[in-house]
Amino acid sequence: ETGVTQTPRHLVMGMTNKKSLKCEQHLGHNAMYWYKQSAKKPLELMFVYSLEERVENNSVPSRFSPECPNSSHLFLHLHTLQPEDSALYLCASSQEGAGANVLTFGAGSRLTVL
Amino acid sequence: AQSVTQPDIHITVSEGASLELRCNYSYGATPYLFWYVQSPGQGLQLLLKYFSGDTLVQGIKGFEAEFKRSQSSFNLRKPSVHWSDAAEYFCAVAARGGNKLTFGTGTQLKVEL
Repeated sequence: ETGVTQTPRHLVMGMTNKKSLKCEQHLGHNAMYWYKQSAKKPLELMFVYSLEERVENNSVPSRFSPECPNSSHLFLHLHTLQPEDSALYLCASSQEGAGANVLTFGAGSRLTVL
Repeated sequence: AQSVTQPDIHITVSEGASLELRCNYSYGATPYLFWYVQSPGQGLQLLLKYFSGDTLVQGIKGFEAEFKRSQSSFNLRKPSVHWSDAAEYFCAVAARGGNKLTFGTGTQLKVEL
């Protein structure tokens, strides 16, 4: 495996379900990100983890709960979601402290909330 | 706060024609500038970036972009478009040394054969 891998690629869930999105990076990076991509809207930064510590939480509702157990893995735990949460969720990673910060993205997890 | 405007939501060009995708940004200083491309069902792939130095930057797949400070623009160009270039293109900015990218809403490129 190379780059940034996201699973599952597609997820359908009801509003009362609990599910998780997983992201794994094989690049040796030390920062990881969750972005939300909705139709007709710019990508929205949700969370940033640097050296496994959360350094950014962009006013994301508590029904989204991130977890970063180590520098290679990032999870997004989902609970009691709303239909408007349906979107493509993109994970990215980068190497901080190496000058300019270039993000490498995964292919995304397409979430549909019924 | 920084912002990015991509004024063209959709662009259609014929294969072999030249392409220019517009990007304007708002930021108090010279930011880092990026262009990403997203094919259907895929994540974002970095095409090119500008940090400093020569204002004309070359990227992958034959793309280039020019930073114009006076116009706060970073337009993406390609002299001859291929059918495989059909995708959505995103311009993004970040504060120098920062790790938060602010994206535009994207431009959907269609290539007619």
